[in-house]
Amino acid sequence: GDSVTQMEGPVTLSEEAFLTINCTYTATGYPSLFWYVQYPGEGLQLLLKATKADDKGSNKGFEATYRKETTSFHLEKGSVQVSDSAVYFCALVKPMGSGGSNYKLTFGKGTLLTVNP
Amino acid sequence: DTGVSQNPRHKITKRGQNVTFRCDPISEHNRLYWYRQTLGQGPEFLTYFQNEAQLEKSRLLSDRFSAERPKGSFSTLEIQRTEQGDSAMYLCASTPTDTQYFGPGTRLTVL
Repeated sequence: GDSVTQMEGPVTLSEEAFLTINCTYTATGYPSLFWYVQYPGEGLQLLLKATKADDKGSNKGFEATYRKETTSFHLEKGSVQVSDSAVYFCALVKPMGSGGSNYKLTFGKGTLLTVNP
Repeated sequence: DTGVSQNPRHKITKRGQNVTFRCDPISEHNRLYWYRQTLGQGPEFLTYFQNEAQLEKSRLLSDRFSAERPKGSFSTLEIQRTEQGDSAMYLCASTPTDTQYFGPGTRLTVL
């Protein structure tokens, strides 16, 4: 079945450091790829998405490029802030079910990022 | 507030009791999902509604779990005869297409 693998955490960085969180996926066909962020005690917030190969998703200084040849969607940010401390989840969606109407997400295990001042 | 809301935010119950959670999706979204998230793990799919029809259930959803979405609006997730293994965060999400918007979740603790 479909699966997502993220780099093991936790990741601890100093403010203004460069961030990379690796994500690779296994899926047949052409999934859409997502990064969600979860702040302490809160639900998941969509950070960015990409729907086809070579698409780049970006938001709030974060970027990720859909690489079909390496089945990867690594998250990057050039200069992290203390407020970026959170758990980051990579996920994929592949339409399933009758008429392709079920867009259930398959998540990785999450990567805890801590940014120190 | 036009986001997804969930109630209660926290629920503590004793083993063997029944609990019910509510999710109010974004009003124009016809698809609604329930996920379960345990500590240190990513959310796992439980069930999916399109309008009022429950179209898919995960094998994680034992017969003690039931979900409804009457009239295709809000949804409820009930757990009967709770067990300690049911302790988790229960997340609801809604979407019109492939991008899901999550509520804040209900954290269940079974003593």
